[in-house]
Amino acid sequence: DTGVSQNPRHKITKRGQNVTFRCDPISEHNRLYWYRQTLGQGPEFLTYFQNEAQLEKSRLLSDRFSAERPKGSFSTLEIQRTEQGDSAMYLCASSTRAGGDLQETQYFGPGTRLLVL
Amino acid sequence: AQSVTQLDSHVSVSEGTPVLLRCNYSSSYSPSLFWYVQHPNKGLQLLLKYTSAATLVKGINGFEAEFKKSETSFHLTKPSAHMSDAAEYFCVVWGTYKYIFGTGTRLKVLA
Repeated sequence: DTGVSQNPRHKITKRGQNVTFRCDPISEHNRLYWYRQTLGQGPEFLTYFQNEAQLEKSRLLSDRFSAERPKGSFSTLEIQRTEQGDSAMYLCASSTRAGGDLQETQYFGPGTRLLVL
Repeated sequence: AQSVTQLDSHVSVSEGTPVLLRCNYSSSYSPSLFWYVQHPNKGLQLLLKYTSAATLVKGINGFEAEFKKSETSFHLTKPSAHMSDAAEYFCVVWGTYKYIFGTGTRLKVLA
């Protein structure tokens, strides 16, 4: 078990460029989450996958954002036409609902820090 | 709707003294509550969780939290702070398919 990994760890881009982040969850975890954390704030939910199905999206996820989990394993989060307000830490988490556990524990990756100039 | 409020944005303690990080919650049903810690350049790590079993929950690294329904609180405590406890701490409530985080409390431990 190597934990949740995210790449890249840091990304600097110019306004208007597209960026893509990758998340590799813990193997056999069927649930995958994306959160965004801005400076001085707690993480905010963006979207959630169960296997390859995207089941919920936050209103924070504008149409410039898209997330995929094509084979129910790794996931990508793409931001098109980046804006300075997109600068944040993007966190990925994975989980699995253990038998009898009504609220699962999410395991977080180290995050991708995005800076839009 | 579920929410959590962390009452202190910064807490400073001396090494070896007790730690108290305060969290109040709001929930329309019996909540599941968590405390996570975030060290610089590291991922969020689960300290402990409450899921309607024992109201006093013991976690890792000597931390514990007590669920008090009458006060809608879930405060995090540790009897004796260590330098390695310096980090950002988040109180979290389970909000149906997602976590809802508080704004965080930065703990500073003075030598």
